[in-house]
Amino acid sequence: DGGITQSPKYLFRKEGQNVTLSCEQNLNHDAMYWYRQDPGQGLRLIYYSQIVNDFQKGDIAEGYSVSREKKESFPLTVTSAQKNPTAFYLCASSIGRDWVNEQFFGPGTRLTVL
Amino acid sequence: AQKITQTQPGMFVQEKEAVTLDCTYDTSDPSYGLFWYKQPSSGEMIFLIYQGSYDQQNATEGRYSLNFQKARKSANLVISASQLGDSAMYFCAMREGSTGGFKTIFGAGTRLFVKA
Repeated sequence: DGGITQSPKYLFRKEGQNVTLSCEQNLNHDAMYWYRQDPGQGLRLIYYSQIVNDFQKGDIAEGYSVSREKKESFPLTVTSAQKNPTAFYLCASSIGRDWVNEQFFGPGTRLTVL
Repeated sequence: AQKITQTQPGMFVQEKEAVTLDCTYDTSDPSYGLFWYKQPSSGEMIFLIYQGSYDQQNATEGRYSLNFQKARKSANLVISASQLGDSAMYFCAMREGSTGGFKTIFGAGTRLFVKA
């Protein structure tokens, strides 16, 4: 079955540590995205990537970094510079960048900083 | 300025009845897409329905329909014959053509409770 996988489902981190969230898709989609969701709120865009080896900052990129070395993979690193990293992180992909294309989402990773 | 507004933080509906979830949007771009997503307690976002700004007819997908009123900038989701499994958060979202479609703007969501 085609889809998006994210791992781990739950992640705990000590303050001052970097942590990497995995996102893999087998939908052959060009575009991939990372969103952050805080309790009771909608999603906010962290980073997006149109194609391999290209990515752009979203609205809240500070304290995060990404890479896109393969079409199917778009890992997100939450660095120690991110002041309030505890949140729910969702990865998504779409077949293209057009505004008509819906996004498909992974199951999410819940990050808690201790 | 907030571009997607969902004014109903929570809604209750009786099983088998219809319910309308409100969404208003703000854009000056003539090309845009409106989306509704469902988020169950598991957290995954599930795509429900899409309406393009140039579409002449309201979108329908099974029990979901979108009441698109372009002049009023509203895109309300109608769920017919509600089921217990419909209990979830629902998000309205928009992608504008001018941003290349990359930026999807989400509303704050409406939590729907379906009563047996």
